[in-house]
Amino acid sequence: GDSVTQMEGPVTLSEEAFLTINCTYTATGYPSLFWYVQYPGEGLQLLLKATKADDKGSNKGFEATYRKETTSFHLEKGSVQVSDSAVYFCALSGAAGNKLTFGGGTRVLVKP
Amino acid sequence: DTAVSQTPKYLVTQMGNDKSIKCEQNLGHDTMYWYKQDSKKFLKIMFSYNNKELIINETVPNRFSPKSPDKAHLNLHINSLELGDSAVYFCASSLNSYEQYFGPGTRLTVT
Repeated sequence: GDSVTQMEGPVTLSEEAFLTINCTYTATGYPSLFWYVQYPGEGLQLLLKATKADDKGSNKGFEATYRKETTSFHLEKGSVQVSDSAVYFCALSGAAGNKLTFGGGTRVLVKP
Repeated sequence: DTAVSQTPKYLVTQMGNDKSIKCEQNLGHDTMYWYKQDSKKFLKIMFSYNNKELIINETVPNRFSPKSPDKAHLNLHINSLELGDSAVYFCASSLNSYEQYFGPGTRLTVT
């Protein structure tokens, strides 16, 4: 079945540091890929998405590129802020298109 | 304007009780979902409804029964609550099974 693996946290960074969260997936067919963010005490918000190979999703300074050859969708941000502290989830929507399969989440803590 | 709303936000109850969580979306979406997030933040799909029809039921105990009275609502009823049911339950919705929008979650604590 489909699966998503992402790096375990917590990831602790200083403000303005570069952030990378690795995400790899296993799926049949051609899934759509997503990054969701969960701020403390809140629900999940869609951060960015990519629907086909080589697509780059971007939002709020975050970027991720759909790499079919390495089955990866790594999240990056060039300069993090304290307000980026949250749990980040990589997810895929497979050929059936009807459910999201999530990675285990990566907690990011940005210190001033 | 709240896109996907859930009630209640917090629910504390005793083992053996029956409880319901309600979800409503005002996005005009045709598919709604329930997810469970455990204490380690792991998220897993439970159910999915499309146009009031059940399309996903992921090996969830039959104590859990979803009900969709119309396209905009998907409720979750849980019978005979157990300690292991303690979690955060998220409702979500999508249009044509594309990107999903999540509600704020319901934190269920079973004592």
